[in-house]
Amino acid sequence: NAGVMQNPRHLVRRRGQEARLRCSPMKGHSHVYWYRQLPEEGLKFMVYLQKENIIDESGMPKERFSAEFPKEGPSILRIQQVVRGDSAAYFCASSPLSGAPNYGYTFGSGTRLTVV
Amino acid sequence: DQQVKQNSPSLSVQEGRISILNCDYTNSMFDYFLWYKKYPAEGPTFLISISSIKDKNEDGRFTVFLNKSAKHLSLHIVPSQPGDSAVYFCAASDGGTSYGKLTFGQGTILTVHP
Repeated sequence: NAGVMQNPRHLVRRRGQEARLRCSPMKGHSHVYWYRQLPEEGLKFMVYLQKENIIDESGMPKERFSAEFPKEGPSILRIQQVVRGDSAAYFCASSPLSGAPNYGYTFGSGTRLTVV
Repeated sequence: DQQVKQNSPSLSVQEGRISILNCDYTNSMFDYFLWYKKYPAEGPTFLISISSIKDKNEDGRFTVFLNKSAKHLSLHIVPSQPGDSAVYFCAASDGGTSYGKLTFGQGTILTVHP
């Protein structure tokens, strides 16, 4: 039973380019959460999605960031026109149930984005 | 607005001794608390949790204590082992929402010396 798969593990983008981060949840999990960890900080919630729906995007920056979780395929976090301040580790977590952080809530290994 | 705080950036402990990691929170709506362990270049791994209706939860060498009146929780590791060396994050969940949105502290780097 594969865990939460995130790819790529490392991504380097020049300022102004687009970054696409992918997250495949665990089998049977229909809830996906994205978090960002800036250097020397804890993880910060960005967005919560279910299949084809954004449930809560209160942690997403208002511009340049978007997320989707289509009916088929992985969840995608897209960052347009990246800036140096976007450099961070981006983690995805999935769960089989809503509101159950103690039940099967599993993190992926993250994507480390570096903007040069 | 840091709603979950871990005021000790690092902690160094001798193998076999007790490690105590602390966490404070400000949001009284939090009703579920978790501790995660994280190694470099990996995602956080769930360690132990506690509901706000309890004041203690134990799992093997790990015990979490919750003091609701002080809005404080702590993780005790006894005995500490070198393999416990990692970054430990405290996280909290607001049961008023219907989803597992977690608010994390900044983390504490634990080093256990042989």
